[in-house]
Amino acid sequence: KAGVTQTPRYLIKTRGQQVTLSCSPISGHRSVSWYQQTPGQGLQFLFEYFSETQRNKGNFPGRFSGRQFSNSRSEMNVSTLELGDSALYLCASSPYQVRNTEAFFGQGTRLTVV
Amino acid sequence: GNSVTQMEGPVTLSEEAFLTINCTYTATGYPSLFWYVQYPGEGLQLLLKATKADDKGSNKGFEATYRKETTSFHLEKGSVQVSDSAVYFCALSHNNAGNMLTFGGGTRLMVKP
Repeated sequence: KAGVTQTPRYLIKTRGQQVTLSCSPISGHRSVSWYQQTPGQGLQFLFEYFSETQRNKGNFPGRFSGRQFSNSRSEMNVSTLELGDSALYLCASSPYQVRNTEAFFGQGTRLTVV
Repeated sequence: GNSVTQMEGPVTLSEEAFLTINCTYTATGYPSLFWYVQYPGEGLQLLLKATKADDKGSNKGFEATYRKETTSFHLEKGSVQVSDSAVYFCALSHNNAGNMLTFGGGTRLMVKP
C-alpha cells in the first residue's frame, strides 16, 4: 500500500508569491491534516479536512488555506509569502475521524522563501 | 487549551544505555497520547500510542504508560541502539478535535557507539 505522497519535495519561492502544495493520502483514508514544522515553533496544526469539509483549523492567518477533493487528495495554498513561512509542511492522513486513529505522515514539502 | 511539554534535548547516550524522555500534558477529559519519531529528512512515524489511563503502549523495545494522575506519558527503552538516533515527539489528540494532534517541542536523541 502506497504511503502518503507529498509534492513537490522542495520549493523555493520569492516573498510575495503564492504557493500550492499537494498531498495524496493513503488509499481509503478520508481525513487529511496539515502541519507546519519550524525550528522555532515546532510542529503546529494548520487544518484538517474530512470528506471535503474543513473540520478543524489552527491559529494561522487567512493567507493559509486548503481544500480537499472528492478523491481525498488535498492541497494547501499560501498566498503573499513571507520569509517566516519557510518551513517543512507535513501532511498526515487517517482512515476515520476518530480520536485514537493513527496518523500517517508524508515526507513533507520543504518550502524556502527568499 | 491542550498542550504537551517534553524534556529538551539533545539527549546523548552510549549504546545499550537506558533511555527516558519525559512528557507531560495539559488537557481536559481523556485525550489519546502518542509518541512519534522523525528520522533525518523524513516525516513522522508513529512509535506507540495509548488511548486511556493506565494503558501501556509498546513498540520496538520502547514503552510508555498513560498516567492520568501525573498527566504524563514518559518514553522509555531499556537498551538504545545507534539506529534509535532521531527526534522524538510526544503528542495528544482530543475527542472533540478530530484527528488534530498537539505536539511537544521534540527531543533529539543521539546514541554513540
